[in-house]
Amino acid sequence: ILNVEQSPQSLHVQEGDSTNFTCSFPSSNFYALHWYRWETAKSPEALFVMTLNGDEKKKGRISATLNTKEGYSYLYIKGSQPEDSATYLCALYQAGTALIFGKGTTLSVSS
Amino acid sequence: DGGITQSPKYLFRKEGQNVTLSCEQNLNHDAMYWYRQDPGQGLRLIYYSQIVNDFQKGDIAEGYSVSREKKESFPLTVTSAQKNPTAFYLCASSISISTATYEQYFGPGTRLTVT
Repeated sequence: ILNVEQSPQSLHVQEGDSTNFTCSFPSSNFYALHWYRWETAKSPEALFVMTLNGDEKKKGRISATLNTKEGYSYLYIKGSQPEDSATYLCALYQAGTALIFGKGTTLSVSS
Repeated sequence: DGGITQSPKYLFRKEGQNVTLSCEQNLNHDAMYWYRQDPGQGLRLIYYSQIVNDFQKGDIAEGYSVSREKKESFPLTVTSAQKNPTAFYLCASSISISTATYEQYFGPGTRLTVT
């Protein structure tokens, strides 16, 4: 079973702080990495799907980078807001089967 | 509105009883999935289905069963053989399982408590 690791497990920041967290995965036979945001009492929603080494994607204040050679992806949030509080999940795509999810990083932003 | 529905939101059962969790999607997606979440754990895959009348075991399939008789429906039965059934269950779907870039869409989940 492939292992997808996320760190830190949780973090707490103040409104306006920028933050980042990491997703690590096996670099061999890479196809795609997904990022999802899971807010309390809601369903997880896709943020990014990344496939190319060196890829960088951005959605508002959130961006993600991908390094497939060394097996990691970073998720950055610039100027965190309370509405960014959520659990952020990364997931590795395996060919012909379902995604393998990490345990997530839970972000809490206080005003 | 297109989406995935799961019912009920909360479910309580006595130990030894089988229980079926509902998952319906109107997104016309071929692939559907069932995940389980426990405190401190990530989403763990129970079963998935690529097309109608086909399904595959995930990492933690023991004590669970599924069916896929219709494209829009993928019910999960938690049997009495599942040793620790109390958990939060999420259903998801995607256009296809064979393309890496197709994101998954999730339902609201069912919290099952077995006493």
